[in-house]
Parts: sequence; structure tokens; C-alpha cells
Amino acid sequence: QKEVEQDPGPLSVPEGAIVSLNCTYSNSAFQYFMWYRQYSRKGPELLMYTYSSGNKEDGRFTAQVDKSSKYISLFIRDSQPSDSATYLCAMTTGNQFYFGTGTSLTVIP
Amino acid sequence: DAGITQSPRHKVTETGTPVTLRCHQTENHRYMYWYRQDPGHGLRLIHYSYGVKDTDKGEVSDGYSVSRSKTEDFLLTLESATSSQTSVYFCAISGSTSFTDTQYFGPGTRLTVL
Repeated sequence: QKEVEQDPGPLSVPEGAIVSLNCTYSNSAFQYFMWYRQYSRKGPELLMYTYSSGNKEDGRFTAQVDKSSKYISLFIRDSQPSDSATYLCAMTTGNQFYFGTGTSLTVIP
Repeated sequence: DAGITQSPRHKVTETGTPVTLRCHQTENHRYMYWYRQDPGHGLRLIHYSYGVKDTDKGEVSDGYSVSRSKTEDFLLTLESATSSQTSVYFCAISGSTSFTDTQYFGPGTRLTVL
């Protein structure tokens, strides 16, 4: 079983839709949770960073962590064509980073 | 953008030849990492460094070696490249004080081994 599971998609939504991206994990020691955005042929860039359970909001993006269910989510409101990218979740115990395989998102104008 | 550069950005080589990829940072971060990214596997850690001359293996270290003689440079060497090492290689850096700091990635090197 992988440490981190992420549905690869692809996910296609119309412009303006609310997008929900999710990851599940198996290691209860994970404490730090991150979301990265990766455009085609580019390196991943940090989008959101949260510690422990709860919600964190930044503009149109909300990161949610539910440690009891070992489940994290990224919500994108009012999605834009520029949000079309692959989204990677990542988490760490402090000793090692683990990444999901990424979800490919396309926002159709 | 974090000050991370990778060179070369693209390379085509033949099986059995040695290859060295370079990562250079201007952020003075303590930790540096090498990952490879392949379809269906996501990002997988090859090696990482926690200081000058201090390195450790990651999940997929076989066939790779690293060196870090200066804070700003982290080299990844494929001693004898194989076709299975065709991939996109990313360097990352993190935190000045803690492994738990988030990672910032370079632009990647696309390596093709024929």
C-alpha cells in the first residue's frame, strides 16, 4: 500500500466551477500537509501548506485536513482556465516527504 | 521564485555513459533533494543532503550517486546510464533550520537514455 493515494483523474470542469481534489494517506504520523501545482513541463510550485487538522484559506483556494479520516482536500472556487495543471499533494513526518501521483485538472472556458 | 537552477535542462545520452546533473541554489538552504518524476509514479526521492558532505539515500537510489561539496551545489551522477533512468529529474531545497519546512523545486532536467 502506498503511503499517499491520489486519484490521477483527469478532471475536466467548466470555468467558474468549484473543484475538489483529494488525497488519502495511511501514516498517522504525518503532521505537515502541502499542495503543489505543476504546469506542463515545469517544476512543482507550492500552493498551500497546513499543519495538523483544520482548514486554511488563501484567496480562491482552501486546504482541508481531516487527520481522523486520514484525508486531505484542496478546494478551488471560481475555477479559471489558468488553474489547468496537475495538483500534487504532499505530506511529511519531519523525516521524509511523500507525494501523491498528482491529479490532472482542465478548466474549460 | 526560489533561486534554484538546474543544468542541463535537456540531455540525450546513450546507455552505459556517465551523466552528471547539477543543481544550484542561491537561498543558502540546508536541505537539498533529487527526485525523479515518472508517469504513474509521481515524485520519488533519489537522494537528499542535509549539509555539506552529508547525504542520504531515498526511495530509488540504486544506480545514482550524489555529492555536495558546497552549500549551493548538489550534483546527481548516473555512473552508467540505463534506459530505465529516462525521466524528468527535479532538484528541491527546503528550510534553513528544519526538515519540516516546505520544499521548493527547480525547473527540472529532462533526461533521455537511448
